[in-house]
Amino acid sequence: AQSVSQHNHHVILSEAASLELGCNYSYGGTVNLFWYVQYPGQHLQLLLKYFSGDPLVKGIKGFEAEFIKSKFSFNLRKPSVQWSDTAEYFCAVNDDYGQNFVFGPGTRLSVLP
Amino acid sequence: DTGVSQDPRHKITKRGQNVTFRCDPISEHNRLYWYRQTLGQGPEFLTYFQNEAQLEKSRLLSDRFSAERPKGSFSTLEIQRTEQGDSAMYLCASSLWGLAGTNEQFFGPGTRLTVL
Repeated sequence: AQSVSQHNHHVILSEAASLELGCNYSYGGTVNLFWYVQYPGQHLQLLLKYFSGDPLVKGIKGFEAEFIKSKFSFNLRKPSVQWSDTAEYFCAVNDDYGQNFVFGPGTRLSVLP
Repeated sequence: DTGVSQDPRHKITKRGQNVTFRCDPISEHNRLYWYRQTLGQGPEFLTYFQNEAQLEKSRLLSDRFSAERPKGSFSTLEIQRTEQGDSAMYLCASSLWGLAGTNEQFFGPGTRLTVL
């Protein structure tokens, strides 16, 4: 069975600091990878996704993620966070048939003004 | 608003009662997913439909849970004989699967269930 782990439960940063959130998955086959964000009081929104091609993918709001197949990782990065990035971030994976969709437990990001 | 909608947004019920939730997906999306999310956890997959066919159910899905998507459009999730452990946020998502889509899932606002 697939599983997704996220390294940090809660990350606290000051504005303008750089961000990296870890995500590792376990699955032997071809996967599609996602990062979703949930702002306070709002529903889940897609930040970025990887299906194939360039392993460095860019998403909305200045976020990017790098797929490293040999490490089964898909870490999320942003060079300079803003207070408005305060949210819960979820890494997710599914197989190439769009099945076995699994979310990680989430990382709560708090950005201090 | 042409996004995924869910109804009701909140439901409070007594243990042992039955509840039913509705999800209206984005109209051209052929896949519809149900998830459950508890505080501090990521969404947990329950089941999904492709058009009207229920293609996958989680092994964690109790037989008290049933979902339907009779016409391949909206879906309902019913929980019979609710238990306090059923208290959670129930999320619905839809996607366009196939050559024209990349299976990006769009989520609704969720239905928060509280079982007293």
